Amino acid sequence: DSGVTQTPKHLITATGQRVTLRCSPRSGDLSVYWYQQSLDQGLQFLIQYYNGEERAKGNILERFSAQQFPDLHSELNLSSLELGDSALYFCASSVGGRHSPLHFGNGTRLTVT
Amino acid sequence: GDSVTQMEGPVTLSEEAFLTINCTYTATGYPSLFWYVQYPGEGLQLLLKATKADDKGSNKGFEATYRKETTSFHLEKGSVQVSDSAVYFCALSAPTTYSGGGADGLTFGKGTHLIIQP
Repeated sequence: DSGVTQTPKHLITATGQRVTLRCSPRSGDLSVYWYQQSLDQGLQFLIQYYNGEERAKGNILERFSAQQFPDLHSELNLSSLELGDSALYFCASSVGGRHSPLHFGNGTRLTVT
Repeated sequence: GDSVTQMEGPVTLSEEAFLTINCTYTATGYPSLFWYVQYPGEGLQLLLKATKADDKGSNKGFEATYRKETTSFHLEKGSVQVSDSAVYFCALSAPTTYSGGGADGLTFGKGTHLIIQP
């Protein structure tokens, strides 16, 4: 058990809809990262928050947004969903710093129909 | 930009065989290097790491040495078991540009699917 909790585990929705994925980091971790995993693109870094502030951006689409709340949990919002957004979305947390390993949740599987 | 290249597989081996999964990287500065493992239906778990040149990371019989001269971090295990069947990801973390900590996120290879047959 990594200590990182992601909800929901599965999400099925239609094109054009909006969904929210939630992540609770490991106790004591200030950094939260979001990754998208798909068969063709592999594991893609989306965005990182550190203690409530956006710290780094990766390949995140403009239709996607995220935030980290004062209690350090994070939400990833995906809007105007397309079929190609179907993927596994992982949240990870760390204490911060490039030598610190990331601890991953079990992911949310999003299916857009 | 930073990138990681690893053999994609699937790699199929018999139990007790020797394992090597190649990983090479391109990065500015001196990255930290990691191997993560993903079992079916689970998130990624850290397997081992190395933070500077010539460091050797090891865990659960797996080893990898940070080779700066060849920009490589190959994963090895002397005798694999069926339970080692999983997807293995090589990753790097570039030097942070922010004070006070906070990595810029790991850059992952595409993953290598390892299948161990009894």
